[in-house]
Amino acid sequence: AQTVTQSQPEMSVQEAETVTLSCTYDTSENNYYLFWYKQPPSRQMILVIRQEAYKQQNATENRFSVNFQKAAKSFSLKISDSQLGDTAMYFCAFMKPRYNNNDMRFGAGTRLTVKP
Amino acid sequence: DVKVTQSSRYLVKRTGEKVFLECVQDMDHENMFWYRQDPGLGLRLIYFSYDVKMKEKGDIPEGYSVSREKKERFSLILESASTNQTSMYLCASSLRGQNTEAFFGQGTRLTVV
Repeated sequence: AQTVTQSQPEMSVQEAETVTLSCTYDTSENNYYLFWYKQPPSRQMILVIRQEAYKQQNATENRFSVNFQKAAKSFSLKISDSQLGDTAMYFCAFMKPRYNNNDMRFGAGTRLTVKP
Repeated sequence: DVKVTQSSRYLVKRTGEKVFLECVQDMDHENMFWYRQDPGLGLRLIYFSYDVKMKEKGDIPEGYSVSREKKERFSLILESASTNQTSMYLCASSLRGQNTEAFFGQGTRLTVV
């Protein structure tokens, strides 16, 4: 089974600054997908960004970008110009697509606090 | 707007009770999932279903069963609730196929006393 490791249980950042959340994973697969999800205090999980393993180019969504290092099995999330609304739990997730289903495995999460 | 709805946001049950957690999605998704979320452990997959009446065990199926009689509904059943099943339960759904995003419900916080 694939494992996903987030080594930073908690992090904090000042508003408007940049923060990077770490994620590593273990797999023998070559084709897979990686995701970052955000869970604010409302508990609603929201997709932040996704990356296909076969793409070398790092994904970017507005202030969110990833640093995908396939050989190192590393997938970090960078949040630029942090905003108070970025305060949330962030989960890294791995998905190996199969025909019948696309079950996803998650890391333990990083609690990010953005300070004013 | 896509929606995954869990029947209860908070639930308190007694040890030994049979507990049903219901999840409904309105997106015609083939895949549905039940996760358990605990501090320091993240989300752990209990069961998933890729079609009506089809199910597969996830990483922690012990003490749980599931039912999917209709495409839009996926139920998690605790046959005899125990205190170690006190947790947050999240339901999710996704389309079949490559690179498909999972959509989540708002979670059910279950307390077994």
